[in-house]
Amino acid sequence: NAGVTQTPKFRVLKTGQSMTLLCAQDMNHEYMYWYRQDPGMGLRLIHYSVGEGTTAKGEVPDGYNVSRLKKQNFLLGLESAAPSQTSVYFCASSTGQGGYTEAFFGQGTRLTVV
Amino acid sequence: GENVEQHPSTLSVQEGDSAVIKCTYSDSASNYFPWYKQELGKGPQLIIDIRSNVGEKKDQRIAVTLNKTAKHFSLHITETQPEDSAVYFCAASILGAAGNKLTFGGGTRVLVKP
Repeated sequence: NAGVTQTPKFRVLKTGQSMTLLCAQDMNHEYMYWYRQDPGMGLRLIHYSVGEGTTAKGEVPDGYNVSRLKKQNFLLGLESAAPSQTSVYFCASSTGQGGYTEAFFGQGTRLTVV
Repeated sequence: GENVEQHPSTLSVQEGDSAVIKCTYSDSASNYFPWYKQELGKGPQLIIDIRSNVGEKKDQRIAVTLNKTAKHFSLHITETQPEDSAVYFCAASILGAAGNKLTFGGGTRVLVKP
């Protein structure tokens, strides 16, 4: 039972480069989320999805795009990376059914933009 | 939007002592308050949660209390053990709202000294 899997686990980018972070879940969850974690700021929601083909903005969406073409996958894209996007990124999923909202998290992607 | 504040940011306790972490929230519509534990190098994991129709909930050595009037909730860990050392996050959400989005506090790093 893999749960939520994030790829890659580590990445170093140069300013202006682009990349895509992949999140895959095998729990048939409807809802998926991308968070960033910075020291002292907890986890902040970037974008989320309530089902295949849907996406919505969270608290800090600027500089990121997302896609949910398949129910099990949620992709986070950085079109032109900036040093301010250096962070640890977490993907999460939840069933969204009956108000039950436990979020299951991946192990994170540590991204450094130089 | 919702704002969640968490205190203290760091907490050092002697093994066997109790630890208390406090959070306040701003949106009176929030009705679900989970606590997540994050061990080093891992994603956060749900340890206990409470809904707004309940004032207190206990699960073995951990308990959570909620004061809706004052808009604050607390995590209590009794008889702390070295494996309780981790970062703890409180969060708030409105069940049934689009995405069941979680707003997290800034986190508390707990160190249990043997």
